[in-house]
Amino acid sequence: AQSVTQLGSHVSVSEGALVLLRCNYSSSVPPYLFWYVQYPNQGLQLLLKYTTGATLVKGINGFEAEFKKSETSFHLTKPSAHMSDAAEYFCAVRNPSGGYNKLIFGAGTRLAVHP
Amino acid sequence: GAVVSQHPSRVICKSGTSVKIECRSLDFQATTMFWYRQFPKQSLMLMATSNEGSKATYEQGVEKDKFLINHASLTLSTLTVTSAHPEDSSFYICSAIDERTEAFFGQGTRLTVV
Repeated sequence: AQSVTQLGSHVSVSEGALVLLRCNYSSSVPPYLFWYVQYPNQGLQLLLKYTTGATLVKGINGFEAEFKKSETSFHLTKPSAHMSDAAEYFCAVRNPSGGYNKLIFGAGTRLAVHP
Repeated sequence: GAVVSQHPSRVICKSGTSVKIECRSLDFQATTMFWYRQFPKQSLMLMATSNEGSKATYEQGVEKDKFLINHASLTLSTLTVTSAHPEDSSFYICSAIDERTEAFFGQGTRLTVV
């Protein structure tokens, strides 16, 4: 069975500071990994995903994530936080041979950005 | 990216009434749509998978007679919460898959049952 663990339900950073949101997964096979962002009362927007190939994945809004198989991690980073980055972030995983009905979400991390 | 439109964004209904939520793929055909429920400060929980022209597949513990799903066309799926009660109050989100098997999410519907 697959699972996703997001360390830290709340992360607070200063504007301009590094953003690091942690995601660890468990999977019996190399998974597909995703990061989604959710703004209040809105649906999810895909930030980036890893399927195969380069392990450092760049996404929208300056975010990137690195797939580290040895650490079973897929942490999300951004060099400099903006106020507009304040939102809920979800890491998700699915088996490459499975469909999106098998997409497993983490519990989410709420990012706060203060001046 | 593709656009999935969900309507309404907010709805308040009286206990015992039914509420219908629509999910439309605006610029692509979606053979498969998904319905999720999200409790406050929690992650998304898949309720059901909706395939065009066939019955929805419900996840364990989801009452199919309470949460009626219809996927009548390649661009529209509806979720009807029947005989709603306050405990059905939640945030409901749909997603749809395009031909690249990429999933796109609607903006969600906040249902409040009073």
